[in-house]
Amino acid sequence: AQSVTQPDIHITVSEGASLELRCNYSYGATPYLFWYVQSPGQGLQLLLKYFSGDTLVQGIKGFEAEFKRSQSSFNLRKPSVHWSDAAEYFCAVSRKGGGYNKLIFGAGTRLAVHP
Amino acid sequence: NAGVMQNPRHLVRRRGQEARLRCSPMKGHSHVYWYRQLPEEGLKFMVYLQKENIIDESGMPKERFSAEFPKEGPSILRIQQVVRGDSAAYFCASSPADRGGYYEQYFGPGTRLTVT
Repeated sequence: AQSVTQPDIHITVSEGASLELRCNYSYGATPYLFWYVQSPGQGLQLLLKYFSGDTLVQGIKGFEAEFKRSQSSFNLRKPSVHWSDAAEYFCAVSRKGGGYNKLIFGAGTRLAVHP
Repeated sequence: NAGVMQNPRHLVRRRGQEARLRCSPMKGHSHVYWYRQLPEEGLKFMVYLQKENIIDESGMPKERFSAEFPKEGPSILRIQQVVRGDSAAYFCASSPADRGGYYEQYFGPGTRLTVT
């Protein structure tokens, strides 16, 4: 069955520190891969996506993610965290082509940022 | 261009009542997805609709839940005889016509349903 695992439920970092949020997926083939951010009481905003090609993808707000096929991982990174990055982050997958793209989400990682 | 709109933003229902959640997709979008987020969990796919058609309802509970996307008007997610376990945030996302490629889903702000 298709699934997405985000092993870290909560992460706390200091402002200015680097960040890596982990994501592993289980899928029949390489899917489309996504990272979304959700601020409290808000909907989801797409940070970045991977379809094919270069395995390092750049997103908004200074985030990047690297697809590693051998590890079935798509970890999110940011070199220097800002206080405004405190939010919940969701990794998601969907199948490639063949119709529509329902998203399968991980359980999320809640990020706290200390000043 | 207005984004995806959902209303109400907050809804309180007593057990046994009906809940109706509305989603107006972005202009020009003809595809709607509904997701449910239970407390402390990620979003779970419920149903995918095109205008006047339910394409995939594999994530919908078999009883009490229904969805529609009429030719005119918003998409409606309806929950009959609500129970406490229905308390969750319900998100709608819309995308333009899908021709087998990928079209980004744009999410609404969600409706937070509380069943007392």
